[in-house]
Amino acid sequence: GQQVMQIPQYQHVQEGEDFTTYCNSSTTLSNIQWYKQRPGGHPVFLIQLVKSGEVKKQKRLTFQFGEAKKNSSLHITATQTTDVGTYFCAGLGNAGGTSYGKLTFGQGTILTVHP
Amino acid sequence: DGGITQSPKYLFRKEGQNVTLSCEQNLNHDAMYWYRQDPGQGLRLIYYSQIVNDFQKGDIAEGYSVSREKKESFPLTVTSAQKNPTAFYLCASSIRRDTPFTYNEQFFGPGTRLTVL
Repeated sequence: GQQVMQIPQYQHVQEGEDFTTYCNSSTTLSNIQWYKQRPGGHPVFLIQLVKSGEVKKQKRLTFQFGEAKKNSSLHITATQTTDVGTYFCAGLGNAGGTSYGKLTFGQGTILTVHP
Repeated sequence: DGGITQSPKYLFRKEGQNVTLSCEQNLNHDAMYWYRQDPGQGLRLIYYSQIVNDFQKGDIAEGYSVSREKKESFPLTVTSAQKNPTAFYLCASSIRRDTPFTYNEQFFGPGTRLTVL
């Protein structure tokens, strides 16, 4: 079945440093979504990427979707303590495939930011 | 005030007992999902339903059962056959359309933390 691998599992940074998490799928994806889960909370949707090579920005966050639609990345510039949490990528299987309609989540990257 | 509710927030059960977790949404979403979250393992899909009276097994359905009799409700039963039921359970919903690329983002409930003693 479809697998989504995410690295690194943990990332500790000083406030102001940059942070990147990477996501790789074993199969071509229809789209990829990113979620953030604060400690003790539930996942909250950040963004969805659909097109091959797509790049989207949200303030200090930059999201990329690979040309082959099998990998993605999230980059945070100049981290702040409010960025603390677990960041998940989630891939939607290709239309017509058996996995269409369900998201496969990566294991997540736990980000801690030291002030 | 639209959203997804899960109750209770914390649940304790004795080993060998079945337990049902509640999930209700008033977002008028067609699709609903149940995930299990364990430390370091991300979210794993248990069951999902794209329409009322229909549901499909996810990646870890063994030991669980669901029903979807109403659009707003998607309860999950953790049966005694589930070997390691202690976990954080998350319910989610999303809009579903019948064309590609139109599965929108999933909205999550606050979760139920189940502990089996």
